[in-house]
Formats: sequence, C-alpha cells, structure tokens
Amino acid sequence: EAAVTQSPRNKVAVTGGKVTLSCNQTNNHNNMYWYRQDTGHGLRLIHYSYGAGSTEKGDIPDGYKASRPSQENFSLILELATPSQTSVYFCASGDGGLGGYYAEQFFGPGTRLTVL
Amino acid sequence: GDSVTQKQGQVTLSEDDFLFINCTYSTTTYPTLLWYVQYLGQGPQLLLKVTTANNKGISRGFEATYDKGTTSFHLQKASVQESDSAVYFCALALNYNQGKLIFGQGTKLSIKP
Repeated sequence: EAAVTQSPRNKVAVTGGKVTLSCNQTNNHNNMYWYRQDTGHGLRLIHYSYGAGSTEKGDIPDGYKASRPSQENFSLILELATPSQTSVYFCASGDGGLGGYYAEQFFGPGTRLTVL
Repeated sequence: GDSVTQKQGQVTLSEDDFLFINCTYSTTTYPTLLWYVQYLGQGPQLLLKVTTANNKGISRGFEATYDKGTTSFHLQKASVQESDSAVYFCALALNYNQGKLIFGQGTKLSIKP
C-alpha cells in the first residue's frame, strides 16, 4: 500500500541546535509538502517540491530549509531551532499537476518537535 | 486572493445528533472543494471532495454539498457516533495551484457518549 512515512516521530531539540525531519513516500508522486500544525492555525505550508532537486517556499518558510534529493525523499531542516518552532510537522505527497480535481494530498503520521 | 474560512473551531455533540460544518471560500476560478478528517495522533486523510460540477459527495455516512450562490460548502452527517470524534478540515484546490491546497482552520468535533 502506498504510504508516507516520517522520522523521527518525536524529537526534543535544544535552542540553537540543528534539526532534520525526514519524509519518505512510496506513492511515486511528483509533489511533496511540509506543513506545521498549531492550535488555532490549522495546517500551514512551509516548503514544497515539484520533484527531485526542486524546493519552493510556502507560506511560512522563515527559519526552515528543505531538500528533495530524490522522488521519494523530502527533508525539512531547522538550522538554528527556536522554541517558536515547537509544533507538529506533517509531510504530504500528491500529484496535483494533473489539475485541481486531482489535488488530493496523502499525509504522513506527523513528527512532534519540542524545542527547549 | 484565494482563501477559505472555517469559523467553527469546536463543536460538541451527543451521539445520534446531526452534524453540520460550514466553510466559505473566495476564488475567481473553478474550485474543487475537499474535506479532510484527522483522528487523534494521525495525519489528515481525505474524506470527501466536491466539484462545482457534481455539487455533492458522499462517503462513510458523511455528505458534502456545495452552494455556488453563497460560495460555501458544507459537511454533514445525520447521526454522529463517538468514533467520529476528530478534527475536520475543509480545503480548496485550484487548477492553477499545481497541487497546493488552501486549508481552513479546522473544526474539532467532540462527541459526548
């Protein structure tokens, strides 16, 4: 069964440290996305990618970098983590290039990040 | 610009009650309207999608309808169960957005047993 997996599932980091969140998809989708979810804000798009080697800024990219080394893998990098980046992070994949009706995204289980 | 608004942050119902969640949207093009459900500890998963052509979708006892006149779309269920406790998101998909979704803020549904 096609799936989106994320690692780690839980992470505790220190302020100023580097954090890398990883995502792998077996859907063979071109597009991948990183969101964060905070109470009262719903899902906010951080970075996305249209394929290997491409990354695009989403709505809240500040403080985050992304890397898409292959079709299957998409990473979110926090070079200097801050307590304000404490959140739940979701990765998703999709084939929205086929048009709006096909814009369904498939989500991973999430990573809970705490920055102390 | 394009946007979607989901004002009901939390809804508390009893079992067998009727559920109605509303979202309004703004766009100058033809949207596909999606409903996602997120159970505790999981990622969101697609529940239903509706286009301006078909006006209605049905899945797992839920029904999604679309009203072009008020640019709103609704999620409803005739009789909720405790297992329906979750967060429900509406989302907007646009042809030119190349797969990006515009999400509402989410509605947390709690069911009293």
